[in-house]
Amino acid sequence: NAGVTQTPKFQVLKTGQSMTLQCAQDMNHNSMYWYRQDPGMGLRLIYYSASEGTTDKGEVPNGYNVSRLNKREFSLRLESAAPSQTSVYFCASSGEAPHSNQPQHFGDGTRLSIL
Amino acid sequence: GDSVTQMEGPVTLSEEAFLTINCTYTATGYPSLFWYVQYPGEGLQLLLKATKADDKGSNKGFEATYRKETTSFHLEKGSVQVSDSAVYFCALSGTDKLIFGTGTRLQVFP
Repeated sequence: NAGVTQTPKFQVLKTGQSMTLQCAQDMNHNSMYWYRQDPGMGLRLIYYSASEGTTDKGEVPNGYNVSRLNKREFSLRLESAAPSQTSVYFCASSGEAPHSNQPQHFGDGTRLSIL
Repeated sequence: GDSVTQMEGPVTLSEEAFLTINCTYTATGYPSLFWYVQYPGEGLQLLLKATKADDKGSNKGFEATYRKETTSFHLEKGSVQVSDSAVYFCALSGTDKLIFGTGTRLQVFP
């Protein structure tokens, strides 16, 4: 059982380039999330999708877009990368709505550096 | 707004020592509380959870009790191992999202 799979694992971009981070889960979960992790700041929610066809902004959405392609897949796009977006990005999923007591399952992360 | 405060690390211990990582929270309503663990190069994994006051979550020798009177959810383990070296995150289910603390790094030496 793969759980939550993120691709790529590592990426280096130049300022202004665009890219899409991919995430897929095989647990038939309804909700999916994108976080960024920066030193000393814990995890911050970028966007989430409570169910297929819906997306909502989290704490730090500026500079990002998302697409819930189907129930399994939730992608994060950087249209014009900036050095401030250098971070480790985590995708997560959970069985129910974001406000429930169900735990979230995380992928192994994408380490993104923007020069 | 809702928030989680964890003790700063790193916490450095010898193998078989007793571990406490403090976590306090501020929340409206009655959130669920979680501890997640992150091993090097990996994503976060749920370690334990508690859904109401006085509940005790436990897993792999770790325990935490949901204390509403002190708004705390401290993580404890009686005898740590080198393999417990990781970053530990306290989190709560806020009104519109999961809210994480900044994490506490634990280093256990033989």
